[in-house]
Amino acid sequence: NAGVTQTPKFQVLKTGQSMTLQCAQDMNHNSMYWYRQDPGMGLRLIYYSASEGTTDKGEVPNGYNVSRLNKREFSLRLESAAPSQTSVYFCASSEEKGNTEAFFGQGTRLTVV
Amino acid sequence: RKEVEQDPGPFNVPEGATVAFNCTYSNSASQSFFWYRQDCRKEPKLLMSVYSSGNEDGRFTAQLNRASQYISLLIRDSKLSDSATYLCVVTDTGGFKTIFGAGTRLFVKA
Repeated sequence: NAGVTQTPKFQVLKTGQSMTLQCAQDMNHNSMYWYRQDPGMGLRLIYYSASEGTTDKGEVPNGYNVSRLNKREFSLRLESAAPSQTSVYFCASSEEKGNTEAFFGQGTRLTVV
Repeated sequence: RKEVEQDPGPFNVPEGATVAFNCTYSNSASQSFFWYRQDCRKEPKLLMSVYSSGNEDGRFTAQLNRASQYISLLIRDSKLSDSATYLCVVTDTGGFKTIFGAGTRLFVKA
């Protein structure tokens, strides 16, 4: 079982470039999430999608946009990358909202130079 | 004050030791509580949920004290394979605002 698949695994961007992080889950989960993880900060929620067709801001949404393309896919877009967005990004999904186990993708290590 | 606070460690313990991690949370209305485990450069994975009555899973015991807004994780008979970062996770009453602690690093030595 693939679970949650993220692409790419690694990326280096120049300041001002844009990119989209892709995420897909095959567990028929309703809810999907994007987190970033920085040293000493823990995981911080960027955006989430409670169900297909809905998205909401999390704790640190500035500089990001998301699209819930269908039930399986939830993408994260950086329109104009900044060095402060250097981080490890994790996509996650759960059956419903945050009271149930979240399954994470393997992460995307993004460096903005 | 951070919403979820953990001692970052690291905790260095010998095999067979018992080790306890603590976590405090600031929102008294928090609804659900979890411990996740994260290996180096890997994704977090659920270790166990934390219930008000306390719960045990093999060598792992989790406790919740709502009055003190405090969660704990006890690991007995530590194994080398327990070396990881342990993340305390709290969700609010709406269920969407999920807050992760920064994690506690554990190193178990032979």
